[in-house]
Amino acid sequence: DQQVKQNSPSLSVQEGRISILNCDYTNSMFDYFLWYKKYPAEGPTFLISISSIKDKNEDGRFTVFLNKSAKHLSLHIVPSQPGDSAVYFCAASGKTSYDKVIFGPGTSLSVIP
Amino acid sequence: GAGVSQSPSNKVTEKGKDVELRCDPISGHTALYWYRQSLGQGLEFLIYFQGNSAPDKSGLPSDRFSAERTGGSVSTLTIQRTQQEDSAVYLCASSFQGTGAYSNQPQHFGDGTRLSIL
Repeated sequence: DQQVKQNSPSLSVQEGRISILNCDYTNSMFDYFLWYKKYPAEGPTFLISISSIKDKNEDGRFTVFLNKSAKHLSLHIVPSQPGDSAVYFCAASGKTSYDKVIFGPGTSLSVIP
Repeated sequence: GAGVSQSPSNKVTEKGKDVELRCDPISGHTALYWYRQSLGQGLEFLIYFQGNSAPDKSGLPSDRFSAERTGGSVSTLTIQRTQQEDSAVYLCASSFQGTGAYSNQPQHFGDGTRLSIL
């Protein structure tokens, strides 16, 4: 049973527009959430994270929103650029670094020039 | 500094053979993970080493899979009697292990080993 879900396998967005990637989780013990970006033939790279004590974290063009009551988080990319085209993985873990990290299945984002 | 290094980058072998995949984590990182990504699928957790504690092996798909981490650094993932369904990209990641609540640190991934079983 998937504990971290990304229900959209793919998403296409025009360059300059906002990309919104969604993630849902089922385990109420999750307290730390991350987004990773993966290009073909490379390992995933860390993008942005948020802990459950916050509902928003922003880093440049990337913002992550967390709604704990809905067990939902989203990644906003604005403005989207062609170089953002990649697979985006949502991940979650417990409160400490001793807790295992669980990944979602990923969403493939295509930013069209 | 050097990132997570995995070797080999590609491995092709015949069904039934054993394979060993190696991971060199970032120096000082005490947590090490192995994941598997099959074609068109997400990241499947395999095993997690955390410092000196017993590893979390809950993701290993069968007893043909095993992993070791010697000296708290290099890790080897071994697949015995390989099957065609073992074909996938095997990814290793490491992270610094802090202490206390909200001490989580993001993982750093290697580029993976692409394993093909003929």
